[in-house]
Amino acid sequence: DAGITQSPRHKVTETGTPVTLRCHQTENHRYMYWYRQDPGHGLRLIHYSYGVKDTDKGEVSDGYSVSRSKTEDFLLTLESATSSQTSVYFCAISELLQGETQYFGPGTRLLVL
Amino acid sequence: DQQVKQNSPSLSVQEGRISILNCDYTNSMFDYFLWYKKYPAEGPTFLISISSIKDKNEDGRFTVFLNKSAKHLSLHIVPSQPGDSAVYFCAASDSGGGADGLTFGKGTHLIIQP
Repeated sequence: DAGITQSPRHKVTETGTPVTLRCHQTENHRYMYWYRQDPGHGLRLIHYSYGVKDTDKGEVSDGYSVSRSKTEDFLLTLESATSSQTSVYFCAISELLQGETQYFGPGTRLLVL
Repeated sequence: DQQVKQNSPSLSVQEGRISILNCDYTNSMFDYFLWYKKYPAEGPTFLISISSIKDKNEDGRFTVFLNKSAKHLSLHIVPSQPGDSAVYFCAASDSGGGADGLTFGKGTHLIIQP
């Protein structure tokens, strides 16, 4: 299994509070991604990173920001959590630019009340 | 606009028989396709992939077929085993667009019956 951990694994928070999710990898892969999974939607890309301090938006980036100050860590921040951000969040990593096979972390289940 | 479609939300197959999961895509720029398997409360696990230069890729019990003209791919599992019961996601990427993430279908829940 790829060395990817996510923390916390579960979180309950209240609307309007900031939340930061962490993804940590030990594979030294260049590319990192954040997805969310919701019933009836599969997985949707939030943000991704193609190197330290290099990030870009995905399909559903509104309300989220990311930072990557080290190769191994990719942080996802919900500046002011809303109930619509209740979801399961997955981090993924990949190394190859061509034919990007991504490997996923175990996920973080977030409930916004 | 759903670019990757898995039209069967669920599929039930007898143990030992063949499971066939289908996926259609609309974006002609997609050139790399993947299948992931997901158990509850776990992250998706990479299963098998195929490049658009091929029409078949095999790995043990798993075979993926790609029909570019029909924009269709399928995953065959032979023989099906109880541990194959999971949600299967089809995903696609446009490598020419850079490493800008995968586009996923909504998933098919495969149930293997004894």
